Amino acid sequence: AQTVTQSQPEMSVQEAETVTLSCTYDTSESNYYLFWYKQPPSRQMILVIRQEAYKQQNATENRFSVNFQKAAKSFSLKISDSQLGDTAMYFCASEGAQKLVFGQGTRLTINP
Amino acid sequence: KAGVTQTPRYLIKTRGQQVTLSCSPISGHRSVSWYQQTPGQGLQFLFEYFSETQRNKGNFPGRFSGRQFSNSRSEMNVSTLELGDSALYLCASSANGQFRGELFFGEGSRLTVL
Repeated sequence: AQTVTQSQPEMSVQEAETVTLSCTYDTSESNYYLFWYKQPPSRQMILVIRQEAYKQQNATENRFSVNFQKAAKSFSLKISDSQLGDTAMYFCASEGAQKLVFGQGTRLTINP
Repeated sequence: KAGVTQTPRYLIKTRGQQVTLSCSPISGHRSVSWYQQTPGQGLQFLFEYFSETQRNKGNFPGRFSGRQFSNSRSEMNVSTLELGDSALYLCASSANGQFRGELFFGEGSRLTVL
């Protein structure tokens, strides 16, 4: 069975700082995708970044980047130059069999 | 392009009642998934439909059911409501059922069971 674990229930940093959210996963799929989703207080989930497991290069999207360690089954999210609008719940997810398996989430607060 | 629309946004029911939630996916999207979000269990997969066919189902009792119409709109139904069914129900759509792409979520339907 697929599992996704986020070990940091809450994190808090100052604006403009860099923060890293951790995620580990387990899957029996040989080719799979990993995702980070953001859920702001308004509740609509949006995709932050996506990583294809067969690609060795880490995905980046502007201030967001991942550190994908396939052997260790680790998929962390780094947010650089954090902004107040980054305050949200962040969910790590793995894909398989037409569904996403989500971690429990990390509540990130960016303080002014 | 309009996003994923879920109705109703909020509803209150009592134990034993049933509820129907609706989801309109992004135009052109043929895959619709449903997730239950609770503080204790997090996000749990309910089911996924593609072109009116259920392709996958999560580990929920038979009280939870769904369907998809020819216009890709989807409904989910929960019968004989229990207190533990109180949750945010999220619908998500994707283009052509390519799950290795992006899921687009609605704002959710907040169900409270009293």
